[in-house]
Amino acid sequence: DSGVTQTPKHLITATGQRVTLRCSPRSGDLSVYWYQQSLDQGLQFLIQYYNGEERAKGNILERFSAQQFPDLHSELNLSSLELGDSALYFCASSWGSGGDGYNEQFFGPGTRLTVL
Amino acid sequence: KNQVEQSPQSLIILEGKNCTLQCNYTVSPFSNLRWYKQDTGRGPVSLTIMTFSENTKSNGRYTATLDADTKQSSLHITASQLSDSASYICVVSRPTGGGNKLTFGTGTQLKVEL
Repeated sequence: DSGVTQTPKHLITATGQRVTLRCSPRSGDLSVYWYQQSLDQGLQFLIQYYNGEERAKGNILERFSAQQFPDLHSELNLSSLELGDSALYFCASSWGSGGDGYNEQFFGPGTRLTVL
Repeated sequence: KNQVEQSPQSLIILEGKNCTLQCNYTVSPFSNLRWYKQDTGRGPVSLTIMTFSENTKSNGRYTATLDADTKQSSLHITASQLSDSASYICVVSRPTGGGNKLTFGTGTQLKVEL
């Protein structure tokens, strides 16, 4: 158990809908990272928040947005869902901002999103 | 282009045997290289992290090597166990203006059989 929690574990929805994925980082960790992993694909970095502020942005679509709250939990909002958005969405956390590149990231169990 | 390529794509070995997974990268500049183990449907778990100056690091039966000159890394698994069946992902970190960016390989799917 990494100490990172994600809810829900599974989510099934229809195209065009909007969903919210939630992540609680490990106690003491200030950074939250979101990743997307499609079937047979590698992990794609979406976005990072550090202590409530956006720190780094990856291949995140404009239909997707995220935020980190004062209690450091984070939410990833996915809107106007398409079939291709079906994937595993992972959240990871680390203590630092990742500026030194050495901060180990601890991954949550993931949320499996299925868009029908 | 910053890329991480892993080989083989998949591998089947018998329990008790050793195996070596390869990672080649073109990421530059370089901060560190990580190997993760990802069980099916679960989040990745870090095995090793190596910086530029480290050329080998062990974690139990897992030993990672790094040749920063040729931009190659390998993960050697000794005396494999059924529980080693998983995807092994090579991740390279490079410094950017605002921090570090991780580039993930697509992984090597290892299956250990009796």
